[in-house]
Amino acid sequence: DAKTTQPPSMDCAEGRAANLPCNHSTISGNEYVYWYRQIHSQGPQYIIHGLKNNETNEMASLIITEDRKSSTLILPHATLRDTAVYYCIAAGGTSYGKLTFGQGTILTVHP
Amino acid sequence: DAGVIQSPRHEVTEMGQEVTLRCKPISGHDYLFWYRQTMMRGLELLIYFNNNVPIDDSGMPEDRFSAKMPNASFSTLKIQPSEPRDSAVYFCASSFVLHDEKLFFGSGTQLSVL
Repeated sequence: DAKTTQPPSMDCAEGRAANLPCNHSTISGNEYVYWYRQIHSQGPQYIIHGLKNNETNEMASLIITEDRKSSTLILPHATLRDTAVYYCIAAGGTSYGKLTFGQGTILTVHP
Repeated sequence: DAGVIQSPRHEVTEMGQEVTLRCKPISGHDYLFWYRQTMMRGLELLIYFNNNVPIDDSGMPEDRFSAKMPNASFSTLKIQPSEPRDSAVYFCASSFVLHDEKLFFGSGTQLSVL
């Protein structure tokens, strides 16, 4: 899997958009960008994934740059329950489910 | 769907004892993964199964660790003998389509080896 780089921590005000960046400059053509989050004392939770195009689901939006070297996860209206560690993972092809979780970004949503 | 179910939720044992962690994957999922999480090393993949067959156990730290999947609805991770350095949160996850890396994780087992 390609290595990803994320800021260690970010803050966001409740109700505002949270934009979490991720760099994956060595991503290969068949690797997807996955985002998971882990709320305290829970298992990681899948959020969204994409290959080239921007993606949106009920939880978040994923913006991938045209050169695919970076991406941004957007939580449009952050709530206190979105406080968690967010992991950006580049995987696919022959990774066979071996998701490599880095240190992630600790997002703290403030009232 | 109840999701991935792990038991026990917490386990406290003494060094040298055998520990067995259990996992029930989501029905219909044909891949099962065991991960371990520590502060020092983060989340690490230990082993994964496809259709009850172990595919890759390269992440299993030592021979003291063993995992089985006797049927599609049950898996165990056993540590014998346990050591204090095995203290961690152990997660089980399952998925349906391998190359869609959408894993569903259980709530984990917090293991403390004294």
